[in-house]
Amino acid sequence: GNSVTQMEGPVTLSEEAFLTINCTYTATGYPSLFWYVQYPGEGLQLLLKATKADDKGSNKGFEATYRKETTSFHLEKGSVQVSDSAVYFCALSAGAGGTSYGKLTFGQGTILTVHP
Amino acid sequence: DAGVTQSPTHLIKTRGQHVTLRCSPISGHKSVSWYQQVLGQGPQFIFQYYEKEERGRGNFPDRFSARQFPNYSSELNVNALLLGDSALYLCASSVGGHRNEQFFGPGTRLTVL
Repeated sequence: GNSVTQMEGPVTLSEEAFLTINCTYTATGYPSLFWYVQYPGEGLQLLLKATKADDKGSNKGFEATYRKETTSFHLEKGSVQVSDSAVYFCALSAGAGGTSYGKLTFGQGTILTVHP
Repeated sequence: DAGVTQSPTHLIKTRGQHVTLRCSPISGHKSVSWYQQVLGQGPQFIFQYYEKEERGRGNFPDRFSARQFPNYSSELNVNALLLGDSALYLCASSVGGHRNEQFFGPGTRLTVL
């Protein structure tokens, strides 16, 4: 079956540090890949996505590149802020040609804490 | 524009009781999905409905059921509650069809005592 594995956390950084959160996946077909963020007490917000190999998703300074050869979708940000403190989830939606009806498979989440 | 809304926000039940959670999708969205998020874990897929038909079901017991109404809102029902059902229940809506992007509501926090 489909699965997503994220690097174990939590991750603690100082403001302006470089962030990498690793994500690898197992899936049949050609999945779409996502990063969601969950702030304390809130639901999930889509951070970025990529729908085919070599696509780069980006938003709010975060980036992730869909690497089919390594089945990875690592999240990066060059300079984190205190306001980036949240839980980050890598997810996939599997379906040939992107025609999935929308089941998302999530990783276990990575807690990010950024200190001033 | 209003996002996905869920009610109630919080709920406390005892073992063996029944619960109904409600979700209203974003206007124009015809697909609704339900997820269970146990504390410290990623969300787990429960159901997906599109145009009032069940299109996907996760690995949950028959105590879990759902339906979608003509206005595309949805209910998730859980019977014979167990302590292990305590979780954040998330609803997500999407345009449906070939679109994969899902928009999540704030969730309903269910506590089973």
